Amino acid sequence: AQSVTQPDIHITVSEGASLELRCNYSYGATPYLFWYVQSPGQGLQLLLKYFSGDTLVQGIKGFEAEFKRSQSSFNLRKPSVHWSDAAEYFCAVGEAAGNKLTFGGGTRVLVKP
Amino acid sequence: GAGVSQSPSNKVTEKGKDVELRCDPISGHTALYWYRQSLGQGLEFLIYFQGNSAPDKSGLPSDRFSAERTGGSVSTLTIQRTQQEDSAVYLCASSLQPGPNTEAFFGQGTRLTVV
Repeated sequence: AQSVTQPDIHITVSEGASLELRCNYSYGATPYLFWYVQSPGQGLQLLLKYFSGDTLVQGIKGFEAEFKRSQSSFNLRKPSVHWSDAAEYFCAVGEAAGNKLTFGGGTRVLVKP
Repeated sequence: GAGVSQSPSNKVTEKGKDVELRCDPISGHTALYWYRQSLGQGLEFLIYFQGNSAPDKSGLPSDRFSAERTGGSVSTLTIQRTQQEDSAVYLCASSLQPGPNTEAFFGQGTRLTVV
């Protein structure tokens, strides 16, 4: 069965500093990988996704993620965070022929002024 | 509508009562998903509908949970004889087509509290 691990439950970062959120997955085949963001009281919004091809993918809001097959990782990065980036971030893996996403436990990001 | 709409946004119910949660997907989206977000379990898949096909119910936690999708549009998630462990945020999502290569759009969720 597929699984997703986000090792960091909370991360605090200063505004303007860089951010990296870790995600490790377990899946037998080439995974479909996603990062979602959930702002307080909001639903999930897709930041970016990886299916194949270039292992560095660009997303919305200045985020990018890099797929590393050898490490089974799909870490999310942003060079300079803004106060509005304070939210909870979820990594997810989808099955090629399946109908559901398996989510990690989430990482809550706090941004200090 | 412009996005996935869920109602009610908040629901408080007494233990043992039945509740119905509603989801209006984006018009034209054929795939509809229900997920549950709880403190101890994170985000869990519950059920998936695609067109007129039989739903994938593999994520429903017990037979107290059921869901319908009428006319390929609106969906209702029903929880019978609610228990305190059912307290969670129930999220609905829809996508234009099935499969992970089509973006799923999520509603804001229904926060269910069982007292």
